[in-house]
Amino acid sequence: QKEVEQNSGPLSVPEGAIASLNCTYSDRGSQSFFWYRQYSGKSPELIMFIYSNGDKEDGRFTAQLNKASQYVSLLIRDSQPSDSATYLCAVTSNDYKLSFGAGTTVTVRA
Amino acid sequence: EPEVTQTPSHQVTQMGQEVILRCVPISNHLYFYWYRQILGQKVEFLVSFYNNEISEKSEIFDDQFSVERPDGSNFTLKIRSTKLEDSAMYFCASSGKTGDTDTQYFGPGTRLTVL
Repeated sequence: QKEVEQNSGPLSVPEGAIASLNCTYSDRGSQSFFWYRQYSGKSPELIMFIYSNGDKEDGRFTAQLNKASQYVSLLIRDSQPSDSATYLCAVTSNDYKLSFGAGTTVTVRA
Repeated sequence: EPEVTQTPSHQVTQMGQEVILRCVPISNHLYFYWYRQILGQKVEFLVSFYNNEISEKSEIFDDQFSVERPDGSNFTLKIRSTKLEDSAMYFCASSGKTGDTDTQYFGPGTRLTVL
């Protein structure tokens, strides 16, 4: 059984600050790692994916992966009120099915 | 931009009734999935579907559930005899073939309420 753990939050940051989200996973065979954003009552929306150790940047978002530590993180720079949402970490292995964490709720204070 | 669509957006049914949730995956995708999210809980995998057959299913996906791709565009989830605990958001997702195999894109969901 794959386990994906996230701090539930809420994580409150002021507008313009950096929000840092963490995720750990139990299955060492996990190969692909995803961050989804979910607004209340809506479906998960893909923000980023990362496959290799290191950093991957896309606009204000940076994903970091450390397979040895079984750890993946997401940084949101210059946080905006519209970034207020629940951020879901998800992983897959050979079977392609996504195993989700419970999500971290982020609130950006204007 | 192509997107996954789902109908209906909200389905209310009586316990014991059959429901069919419908999805139209992104047109050039080959892998299809159903997930569910009970209110306040994490998103859970139900089933994956490829090449007209189930690839994998979770322990949640028991004999009450079935999936079908009746034509070239639709992908359906049927619950034969709904229970109260089936009340949840049901999300359909799809992903492509090569180069982007497991990046899954989600539809807007169907909220199922079982009374």
